[in-house]
Amino acid sequence: DQQVKQNSPSLSVQEGRISILNCDYTNSMFDYFLWYKKYPAEGPTFLISISSIKDKNEDGRFTVFLNKSAKHLSLHIVPSQPGDSAVYFCAASGRGSEKLVFGKGTKLTVNP
Amino acid sequence: KAGVTQTPRYLIKTRGQQVTLSCSPISGHRSVSWYQQTPGQGLQFLFEYFSETQRNKGNFPGRFSGRQFSNSRSEMNVSTLELGDSALYLCASSLQPGNTEAFFGQGTRLTVV
Repeated sequence: DQQVKQNSPSLSVQEGRISILNCDYTNSMFDYFLWYKKYPAEGPTFLISISSIKDKNEDGRFTVFLNKSAKHLSLHIVPSQPGDSAVYFCAASGRGSEKLVFGKGTKLTVNP
Repeated sequence: KAGVTQTPRYLIKTRGQQVTLSCSPISGHRSVSWYQQTPGQGLQFLFEYFSETQRNKGNFPGRFSGRQFSNSRSEMNVSTLELGDSALYLCASSLQPGNTEAFFGQGTRLTVV
């Protein structure tokens, strides 16, 4: 049972436009969410996180929105740059389970 | 500060063999987690160690095991390798378990033939 779902395996965006990556979760015990970015042949790198006490967290071009009632979060990248092309993983952890549960990832391609 | 170091980077083994992968966490980090990444399943949690104790274990068969040493370095072992064990094995370290960001190594690419 996939507790963290990234339903879009891939996304293609034009440089300068907004990229929106979506993530849904099913476990109501999750209270901390993270986004990781992964380039080929490298390990995932932490991008941004959000606690369930917030509904928005912003860091430069990256903003994560959390909708707890819908069990949905999204990562907005604006403006998108070609160097943002990578696989983005959504992850969650929570009370009763400290491990990170990852989605399957969304491959973002930003076209120049 | 050095990052998470995983060795070896690449490994080719035959079915039935066993393999040991190593992970050195960031200095000062005491929590080490292991993940398996495959194209079909994404990143799947294997186990987590903190202070030499396994705190969490994912849904993997007993062929997958691990341990952590007093210096926080960790090893994972897979016995009786199967073709389906071919994957990228990632290690992540964090200061402590719980709601904290994890830093990943570059992974070990295991190919079972």
